[in-house]
Amino acid sequence: QVQPVQSGAAVKKPGSSVRVSCKASGGIFNKYAITWVRQAPGQGLEWIGGIIPMLGTPKYAQKFQGRATITADESTRTAYMVLSSLRSEDTAVYYCARDGEREPLYYWGQGTLVTVSS
Amino acid sequence: IVLTQSPGTLSLSPGERATLSCRASQSVTSSSLAWFQQKPGQPPRLLIYGASSRATGIPDRISGSGSGTDFTLTISRLEPEDFAVYYCQQYHTSPLTFGGGTKVEIK
Repeated sequence: QVQPVQSGAAVKKPGSSVRVSCKASGGIFNKYAITWVRQAPGQGLEWIGGIIPMLGTPKYAQKFQGRATITADESTRTAYMVLSSLRSEDTAVYYCARDGEREPLYYWGQGTLVTVSS
Repeated sequence: IVLTQSPGTLSLSPGERATLSCRASQSVTSSSLAWFQQKPGQPPRLLIYGASSRATGIPDRISGSGSGTDFTLTISRLEPEDFAVYYCQQYHTSPLTFGGGTKVEIK
């Protein structure tokens, strides 16, 4: 199925890192952009960055430059987002979304809740 | 590009018309403007892309218009399932940006 499936919820200590995975089983994996977005509790949507697997070079929001790392593994059809130096403000639901044939951010994962707490 | 949505909350009754605004701080290239709907506990759902093209499965009571810096999402007759939060997003210029959202609530 094209609908991405994300890894499960995580609880992390401040200063640690988290890796969220996003597996997209259907369609052509390496052709379409995969975007990472987060949503803090009760807040709006925030773009973290994205990657087109066939091109390999990710783009990041300036806010996350140096702290977020986005990669894609074509052999397993899985994209990853690692966020390091976690702080309490990083507590949020993290989503991956894959573009459709023409549509941006058409297929969304179910979301992964990351809680940062000591 | 900063996207400003208005109003923050829209209180309407089923059957009424909803008009949501999204204003960009600079021109959105190639009308690369999308609208998403989000309900509690769910990921966003793409409604409109390219400012006015409906995504697959989106009913024709939902439409998008606009260009340059001013965009509008219109729901001609609100159905119970339309009460949700709506976000606009520009997807041409990095960093991609979202508006702050408009909540459409039942009056």
